[in-house]
Amino acid sequence: GENVEQHPSTLSVQEGDSAVIKCTYSDSASNYFPWYKQELGKRPQLIIDIRSNVGEKKDQRIAVTLNKTAKHFSLHITETQPEDSAVYFCAANFRRLGTGGYNKLIFGAGTRLAVHP
Amino acid sequence: GAVVSQHPSWVICKSGTSVKIECRSLDFQATTMFWYRQFPKQSLMLMATSNEGSKATYEQGVEKDKFLINHASLTLSTLTVTSAHPEDSSFYICSARAPGLAAYEQYFGPGTRLTVT
Repeated sequence: GENVEQHPSTLSVQEGDSAVIKCTYSDSASNYFPWYKQELGKRPQLIIDIRSNVGEKKDQRIAVTLNKTAKHFSLHITETQPEDSAVYFCAANFRRLGTGGYNKLIFGAGTRLAVHP
Repeated sequence: GAVVSQHPSWVICKSGTSVKIECRSLDFQATTMFWYRQFPKQSLMLMATSNEGSKATYEQGVEKDKFLINHASLTLSTLTVTSAHPEDSSFYICSARAPGLAAYEQYFGPGTRLTVT
């Protein structure tokens, strides 16, 4: 089936520490893996994404790694700050080409990150 | 660029009535739009994929006669919740994707909070 598993469901860290969130996906054909940050009552905001032709991508304090063989990708946040507190979702695209084809995102269950001053 | 709006931002309706939610891409043409539902403290669950000029594709378990989707133009998709019940109360979020081979990213609307009394 089309499935994305995300762990942990909650994560509590001290300001300045690193946070790591992990996801696995079920379809080896998936080739796009975005990460979203969602604050209460707001829309998901894309914070970083990675495609299957690279293994790692970094943007300041945020990095994503991808292991295609294991169908596993992770979000790394370094030097966490209180404003990083939010719910983070990973997602993977599931696609079928040809007649009746589709290309859609399936989301993980989310990780509630709390960064304590 | 890549702005998606939704209207209304919140709505309260009585059980048994219908509610229409609009999703617009303001500065790009979206050949594909997606509708998600998000219950409190849960993930985004894809309801349906909407392609301009054709019938929407619904995810398993989503009643197409209850959640009517129309994608009449490249900038507008609508979701109508028919005969709403209290269990339909949720946060409904749309997203839009631009056409093209490099188009993986989805741009999310701000969401519509539906409360059915």
